[in-house]
Amino acid sequence: AQTVTQSQPEMSVQEAETVTLSCTYDTSENNYYLFWYKQPPSRQMILVIRQEAYKQQNATENRFSVNFQKAAKSFSLKISDSQLGDTAMYFCAFMKHETLASGTYKYIFGTGTRLKVLA
Amino acid sequence: GAGVSQSPSNKVTEKGKDVELRCDPISGHTALYWYRQSLGQGLEFLIYFQGNSAPDKSGLPSDRFSAERTGGSVSTLTIQRTQQEDSAVYLCASSLTGRRGDTQYFGPGTRLTVL
Repeated sequence: AQTVTQSQPEMSVQEAETVTLSCTYDTSENNYYLFWYKQPPSRQMILVIRQEAYKQQNATENRFSVNFQKAAKSFSLKISDSQLGDTAMYFCAFMKHETLASGTYKYIFGTGTRLKVLA
Repeated sequence: GAGVSQSPSNKVTEKGKDVELRCDPISGHTALYWYRQSLGQGLEFLIYFQGNSAPDKSGLPSDRFSAERTGGSVSTLTIQRTQQEDSAVYLCASSLTGRRGDTQYFGPGTRLTVL
């Protein structure tokens, strides 16, 4: 069974600084997808960034980038130039690539990291 | 276009009562998911609908939980004889095809409190 581990329950960073959130996962699969979601106090889960395991190039989205280390099963999120609006809960999620036509592409989530950006 | 919507936003009920939670997915999305977010337990998958296929109910925690999706659009999650451990935020998500690792788009959730 797949598992996702986020070992940092809480983190804080000064505004404009850079912070890295860690995520490791355990799987025997070779093809899969990895995601980072942000959940602000409004509870709305917002996709931050997505990575496909067969792509070696690390995904980037503006101030957000990942360090994907497939062999180490690590998928960390780097937030550059942190802004007050980045304050939220961040979840790492794994999605297996289903080979069956009837398979379910469901997320397996980590327990989250609560990030606070300080003014 | 409009995102995923859920109602009610908050629901307080007494132990033993039945509750219904509603989800309106993004128009055109064929796949719909329900997840539960419990304090200290993170997010867990409950059930998945994809088109006209039989739903994947493998995540439902007990037979008190059921869900249906009418007309391939709106979904209702029903919890019968609610227990205090059912208190959680119930999140609904939809994706375009439910295949090939499509990104899931989430609603704002329903916070259920069982007294």
